Amino acid sequence: GAVVSQHPSWVICKSGTSVKIECRSLDFQATTMFWYRQFPKQSLMLMATSNEGSKATYEQGVEKDKFLINHASLTLSTLTVTSAHPEDSSFYICSARWTGRYGYTFGSGTRLTVV
Amino acid sequence: ILNVEQSPQSLHVQEGDSTNFTCSFPSSNFYALHWYRWETAKSPEALFVMTLNGDEKKKGRISATLNTKEGYSYLYIKGSQPEDSATYLCAFLNSGYSTLTFGKGTMLLVSP
Repeated sequence: GAVVSQHPSWVICKSGTSVKIECRSLDFQATTMFWYRQFPKQSLMLMATSNEGSKATYEQGVEKDKFLINHASLTLSTLTVTSAHPEDSSFYICSARWTGRYGYTFGSGTRLTVV
Repeated sequence: ILNVEQSPQSLHVQEGDSTNFTCSFPSSNFYALHWYRWETAKSPEALFVMTLNGDEKKKGRISATLNTKEGYSYLYIKGSQPEDSATYLCAFLNSGYSTLTFGKGTMLLVSP
């Protein structure tokens, strides 16, 4: 149980375009979804926390107008990288909390390359 | 900023070897320490959630210990197998927050 499906697993886009990444909770309702970014040889860094039906909370230094997060339903959260630039190339992964404060389940991640 | 450190960064062992790695975290405001196993192109898989000082948890050949007073946790793998090859992540949960702070991970390669 507690599976999160993340798509796409990899994407290449041109500079200036936008890319949408989806995370779906398949067998539970995810009221809270977390979005992380990982640069090479670095740790997973939290970008934002999204709560169903309300605005996402962004971590310091993360541009909310660039990384649009929508969590309109209990089973779907999306991250849109707008006007992507090569420096946005990274690994993005979502996580949902599914039981109390202990149970976190992850998507399989999206490798974004902006050319 | 919470600092979670993992060592070593990478490890290469032979099949059958036992191995261990370390996660260090802030000793104040501790709530929980998570261990994950992460294979390439897959989702991180939860191994353990540890909450009590002195706790020891076991799952097959993998076990973990926790020292919250000094801020470290050890993960042990007994008799490593090639299928144990993965990146092992630890993540700290602070009592004041609901978000995980991750270490950089230890990449384990087990050769047949």
